[in-house]
Amino acid sequence: AQSVTQLDSQVPVFEEAPVELRCNYSSSVSVYLFWYVQYPNQGLQLLLKYLSGSTLVKGINGFEAEFNKSQTSFHLRKPSVHISDTAEYFCAVSDRDSGGSNYKLTFGKGTLLTVNP
Amino acid sequence: KAGVTQTPRYLIKTRGQQVTLSCSPISGHRSVSWYQQTPGQGLQFLFEYFSETQRNKGNFPGRFSGRQFSNSRSEMNVSTLELGDSALYLCASSSTGANVLTFGAGSRLTVL
Repeated sequence: AQSVTQLDSQVPVFEEAPVELRCNYSSSVSVYLFWYVQYPNQGLQLLLKYLSGSTLVKGINGFEAEFNKSQTSFHLRKPSVHISDTAEYFCAVSDRDSGGSNYKLTFGKGTLLTVNP
Repeated sequence: KAGVTQTPRYLIKTRGQQVTLSCSPISGHRSVSWYQQTPGQGLQFLFEYFSETQRNKGNFPGRFSGRQFSNSRSEMNVSTLELGDSALYLCASSSTGANVLTFGAGSRLTVL
């Protein structure tokens, strides 16, 4: 079974500083990878996805992530954060062949990003 | 284009009761998935429906069930509620072959 490890449960940073949120997954089979963001009292919003092709993926709000197959990692980065980026971030993975459905996601425990002024 | 709509947004039940949550997917999306989010266990996959058929199921007891209607709307039901069922229940929909889930705002269930 897949597992996803988000190495930091909380990451505090100052506004305009760079940030990296780390994510590792367990399986070596072909996977799809995702980062979602959750603001308080809301659902999950897709930040970016890796399905195939270029290993550097750009998403919304200036975020990007790099897929590293050899290290089974998919770390999320942003060069300069804003107060409004304060939220919880979830890394997720699905197997390309998960029982006929690609829609079963395994999520990490989440990383709470707090951006301070 | 309307997003994924979940109702009700908040509800309070007592132990032993049952609850039904509703999800209307994005128009044209035929796949609907359900996830449970709790502080302790995080986000866990419940089940996925496509064209009224359950295609995939997570590791939850039989008290958790779901169904999908011909218009792709989905409901999930939890019977004999336990305190541990208190959670945010998230529904997500996807179009065929898109490999991406769009989530609703969730239904927050509190069991007293």
